[in-house]
Amino acid sequence: EVQLVESGGGLVQPGGSLRLSCAASGFSFSSYTMNWVRQAPGKGLEWLSYISRDSSDVFYADSVKGRFTISRDNAKNSLYLQMNSLRAEDTAFYFCVRDQHYAFDYWGQGALVTVSS
Amino acid sequence: QSALTQPASVSGSPGQSITISCTGTNSDVGSYNLVSWYQQHPGKAPKLMIYEGSKRPSGVSDRFSGSKSGNTASLTISGLQAEDEADYYCCSYAGDNTWVFGGGSKLTVL
Repeated sequence: EVQLVESGGGLVQPGGSLRLSCAASGFSFSSYTMNWVRQAPGKGLEWLSYISRDSSDVFYADSVKGRFTISRDNAKNSLYLQMNSLRAEDTAFYFCVRDQHYAFDYWGQGALVTVSS
Repeated sequence: QSALTQPASVSGSPGQSITISCTGTNSDVGSYNLVSWYQQHPGKAPKLMIYEGSKRPSGVSDRFSGSKSGNTASLTISGLQAEDEADYYCCSYAGDNTWVFGGGSKLTVL
C-alpha cells in the first residue's frame, strides 16, 4: 500500500523557518518524481514544487521561489521542503504528492503550517 | 501561473448528470492534454479521479468522465450519488514541470 506521511508542521513566527519531511512507503520511491502542494484553510489547492527522480531538476511556483527548497533522499525514501522567510500567507496544509502521467496519484494526509506572531 | 477558472458551485439531484468546467489558457489547458481532476471530501486529502484529460485510475467509477475542447476542460459525473458531494479541482500541466490548479467547485447533491 502506498503511503506518504508528512511531519514537521507547526506554529512559526513570520520570517521564521520550518522543514517539512515526507516518509514514503509501499512503492519504489526513487522511481517517481515528487511534488509539494498546499491548501490554505478553506481555500483551494496550489502546486508549489517538483523534484525529479535523481534531484537533478527542481521547479517552484513563483509564490515560493527563492524562499522554499525541495529535496529528497532516495536512500531514506524521504522528501523534504525547507521553508524560509515564512509569511502569514504561507499558512496552509502542505501535502506531499507523488506524480505519474503528469497527475498527482497519491497524497499524504497533510501537515499544517501556521505562520503567526 | 494564474489559477484555472472553475464555477464556485454546482448542484444536481440524485441520478442526474452534472458537468464542471475548467477554463485555462493557451499556455496550459490549451497546450497539453494533461488535465487532471481531484475529488476532496471535508478534512480529507484530494483523490485523483481523472488524468490525461479523460483517463480513470483503477477503482474510480465510470460515472466520472473527462473531456477537453480548446482551452476548456470538463468533468462530467453521471448518475449522481450522495457520496459524490465534495469539492472538485481541476489541474493542468503548464510546461517546464509546473502545474496550475483551478479554484475548486463545490458539488451539492440536492
